[in-house]
Order: sequence, then structure tokens, then C-alpha cells
Amino acid sequence: NAGVTQTPKFRVLKTGQSMTLLCAQDMNHEYMYWYRQDPGMGLRLIHYSVGEGTTAKGEVPDGYNVSRLKKQNFLLGLESAAPSQTSVYFCASRPSGTGSDEQYFGPGTRLTVT
Amino acid sequence: GNSVTQMEGPVTLSEEAFLTINCTYTATGYPSLFWYVQYPGEGLQLLLKATKADDKGSNKGFEATYRKETTSFHLEKGSVQVSDSAVYFCALIRRNNNNDMRFGAGTRLTVKP
Repeated sequence: NAGVTQTPKFRVLKTGQSMTLLCAQDMNHEYMYWYRQDPGMGLRLIHYSVGEGTTAKGEVPDGYNVSRLKKQNFLLGLESAAPSQTSVYFCASRPSGTGSDEQYFGPGTRLTVT
Repeated sequence: GNSVTQMEGPVTLSEEAFLTINCTYTATGYPSLFWYVQYPGEGLQLLLKATKADDKGSNKGFEATYRKETTSFHLEKGSVQVSDSAVYFCALIRRNNNNDMRFGAGTRLTVKP
């Protein structure tokens, strides 16, 4: 049981390039989340999904797109990377149902945009 | 809006010292409150949580009490260890939107032998 995994761990992009970050969970969780972590700002929610085939915007969605084609995977895309998207990206998941609001986090992806 | 404010770090303590990390929140209604811990190079892990006023969450010697009157959820530990060195995040979830978790900025704790 690997929990939540993220690919890649590190990436450097040039401004304008595109990339996709992959999050996978093997816990059969309904809900999945993408956050970015910036110094002095904690984690901020980018997008989330409440089930396969659904996505919704979070607090800071601009410049990102997501897809949830399979229940276990949640992809985060940057179509045209900007230096402001330099950050550490965390994926998280949790089961549905009342009393299950704990989120389980992946190890993170450190992205640098030059 | 809903937000969390926690004390700025970094915090440096000697082993066996007493730890307090302050956390206050602003939220409509009665949110659930959490402390997450992030060890170097890892993702966040839930440390403890409380879902209603006067609840006390506890784990690994850490405690925090949900204080509605002061809108606070301060983290405490009586005797810290070197292995407690990490970044600690206070967070909240609103009851009517449990997909909208808000985090504080994080407090880095370093414990020296």
C-alpha cells in the first residue's frame, strides 16, 4: 500500500513550457486535491475532485488545469509555465463519508520555472 | 473569509523544553480544526484534530484544545525531542464545505540536543 504518490519529484521548466504532474492513490479514495506550498503562505488549494470525471476550482486555480479520468489518478497541468508557478506542489486524497475529513498527502513535487 | 493565523517561526528549543505554537482562526460557523506536521522531504501528516468546541486532540505527546471563545487551537507538548523537528501547520475545514481546507503559514520547529 503506497498511499499517495507523485511524479516527478523535481522538475525545472522554462517560461512558456508545459508539463503534467501525476498524482496516484491506491486507497480507493473519492476525493483528491492539488495544493501549492509557498514560503510564508502555507498550502493553498488549486483544484480538487469529488469523484472520477469531476473537477472543481479551489482558491488559486488560474494557470492550471486538472483531469480525473480514473478514480486513482489526478493530473495537474500547466499549459504555459510562468515563474510565479515556482512552488512545491502537493497532492492529497481522502475517503468520502462523514467523519472522514483527514487528508492524506503525497511527498510533493518541487517545480522551478526559469 | 475563512483563515488561519499561526505564530511565525522559526522556533528553536532545547530537548525536553515545553512547546507552544499559537493558532487562531476566523471562520463562519463551527469548523473542524487540525494540526498537520511535515518532516523534512515529506508530505504533510495529520498530527491531531478536534471537531467541536472544548474537544482536545492529542497524539505523540502533543495536545491542542478547540477554544471557541478565543477562536484558538494552540499546539502544546510538555517535553520536545530532537525527532519533533519539523514544520507544523494549523488548518481548518468548514462544515458546509469540507473540501475547502485552509492552512496557516506553518511554523518551523528545530529541537537541539
